[in-house]
Amino acid sequence: QKEVEQNSGPLSVPEGAIASLNCTYSDRVSQSFFWYRQYSGKSPELIMSIYSNGDKEDGRFTAQLNKASQYVSLLIRDSQPSDSATYLCAVTTAAGNKLTFGGGTRVLVKP
Amino acid sequence: SQTIHQWPATLVQPVGSPLSLECTVEGTSNPNLYWYRQAAGRGLQLLFYSVGIGQISSEVPQNLSASRPQDRQFILSSKKLLLSDSGFYLCAWSPPRGGIMGEQFFGPGTRLTVL
Repeated sequence: QKEVEQNSGPLSVPEGAIASLNCTYSDRVSQSFFWYRQYSGKSPELIMSIYSNGDKEDGRFTAQLNKASQYVSLLIRDSQPSDSATYLCAVTTAAGNKLTFGGGTRVLVKP
Repeated sequence: SQTIHQWPATLVQPVGSPLSLECTVEGTSNPNLYWYRQAAGRGLQLLFYSVGIGQISSEVPQNLSASRPQDRQFILSSKKLLLSDSGFYLCAWSPPRGGIMGEQFFGPGTRLTVL
């Protein structure tokens, strides 16, 4: 059973709209949560980290964490074609020195 | 600032041949180091991680091995490659315990094709 679940997509979003990505995790003791962006053929790039319940905004990105419901989400506002990529959700393990990754959500932003 | 290097960038090897991939990190000391594999269209699979020189933890039994001969050097090896070893190999680092909470930063990766 997967420990971090994401919808594989593709999530098709018109340019300028909001892309909403969701991630659920099974380990209740996880403390840190991350979103990575991976362009085709490239390595993952860390774009957001969140550690406490609530929202965290960075530019056009907003991460939302709800530990009680065990989900973390990523909103991309004013989506651009350059946002077309696979977005990976990652969660720390109980020991804190490893990450468990979801399978990723592919996002396509159409002009 | 910290930089992570991997080489080679691409590699095509015949089945049964040996493998050596190298990863080095600059600008930090005593990092945690990780090897991942990403098969085509799949998620990231953690292969090995290391919290210090000579300390290697294996996540998945396979024909691969890892070594950490120096603080900022991490090597992935195989004596005999299998077709199933093809994939995108990623090295990552994170600050040592007590640093930033679990964030990992990836190198550019090595794309391995076994024929």
